[in-house]
Amino acid sequence: GQNIDQPTEMTATEGAIVQINCTYQTSGFNGLFWYQQHAGEAPTFLSYNVLDGLEEKGRFSSFLSRSKGYSYLLLKELQMKDSASYLCAVKDSNYQLIWGAGTKLIIKP
Amino acid sequence: IAGITQAPTSQILAAGRRMTLRCTQDMRHNAMYWYRQDLGLGLRLIHYSNTAGTTGKGEVPDGYSVSRANTDDFPLTLASAVPSQTSVYFCASSEEESTDTQYFGPGTRLTVL
Repeated sequence: GQNIDQPTEMTATEGAIVQINCTYQTSGFNGLFWYQQHAGEAPTFLSYNVLDGLEEKGRFSSFLSRSKGYSYLLLKELQMKDSASYLCAVKDSNYQLIWGAGTKLIIKP
Repeated sequence: IAGITQAPTSQILAAGRRMTLRCTQDMRHNAMYWYRQDLGLGLRLIHYSNTAGTTGKGEVPDGYSVSRANTDDFPLTLASAVPSQTSVYFCASSEEESTDTQYFGPGTRLTVL
């Protein structure tokens, strides 16, 4: 079967750095997405990786290793507004998105 | 309208009733999707449409139907609601179904009693 694993919950301190990991086993690979979802709101797009390596976008970076079936989302200079769930999703061979259950990130002052 | 809208925002429904969730996008995206989101689970695809006039089944299609008469609208119908269909439903769209980013509507919170 297809599977996306990410930690259920993480806690970090305002101003610090946090890394959210995602491992996947899917039938085929056509890219990996990270989305942010604040409580009671819709998911919003953060990043997309299709080749190995690091993609940087402001305070957020995303890394992919296709050979290891592994990605991480790195958040720097954490702000209280970064408290949210972070969803990892992989496009499989049928171009359908397979979603992880999400990582709830709690930021403490 | 800017982006994707969904209606209603929330609904409480008696089991056995028929319900249609509405979704409209103004981005002229070809592909549209319906997901349900349940606590502790990832988003699960119910149905999708790669272009107007075509639809396909996702991971959890049973009990749901969709239509895509035009580019903008993609309604989801529950023919006879059951309590296990209590969930938050998100509609999404993308330019193409292949590798494009999906953009989500605000969601409909549905409770079936």
